Amino acid sequence: AQSVTQLDSQVPVFEEAPVELRCNYSSSVSVYLFWYVQYPNQGLQLLLKYLSGSTLVESINGFEAEFNKSQTSFHLRKPSVHISDTAEYFCAVSEAVSTGGFKTIFGAGTRLFVKA
Amino acid sequence: DTAVSQTPKYLVTQMGNDKSIKCEQNLGHDTMYWYKQDSKKFLKIMFSYNNKELIINETVPNRFSPKSPDKAHLNLHINSLELGDSAVYFCASSRGGAYNEKLFFGSGTQLSVL
Repeated sequence: AQSVTQLDSQVPVFEEAPVELRCNYSSSVSVYLFWYVQYPNQGLQLLLKYLSGSTLVESINGFEAEFNKSQTSFHLRKPSVHISDTAEYFCAVSEAVSTGGFKTIFGAGTRLFVKA
Repeated sequence: DTAVSQTPKYLVTQMGNDKSIKCEQNLGHDTMYWYKQDSKKFLKIMFSYNNKELIINETVPNRFSPKSPDKAHLNLHINSLELGDSAVYFCASSRGGAYNEKLFFGSGTQLSVL
């Protein structure tokens, strides 16, 4: 089974500073990677995904992630964070299941805390 | 309209009781899921149904029984609740099948077992 490791449980950063949230996955032939964000008392929402094609994927709110096969990484970056980016961020990998469909496996999460 | 809605939002109950959480999605998706999020925010998949058929059944105590009356609904019934069942339970849906697409999550049910 595939797995995901998020190397930092918490990342404090000042507003307008750059940030990188790290994610490594277990190697597999086919890799489908996602970043989800969870704001307080809410469910998770998709931020961005890599299924195939360009290794650099972007979200609508300025985040980007790069699929790096040699390093088995999918780190999330933003050049300048806002207070409103404070949330829990989850890296995830999905794998096909024998009964059909896909199963999404989440990392332990990284709490991004943006300070004024 | 809320895409994935689950009720109740909060559930406080005593050990040994039986309780149910309901989930409905109006996205026309074929696949629905239950995830458990513990106090450390770790998310673990419990079950998945595709078009009313169970396709994922992780190592979950058999006190937990999912039921899917139709593809828009997936309910979770828990018998003989234990302290360790306290967590936030999230329902999610996706297009499913051959489509490896994002999950749409409900806002969660916070279960507290006293």
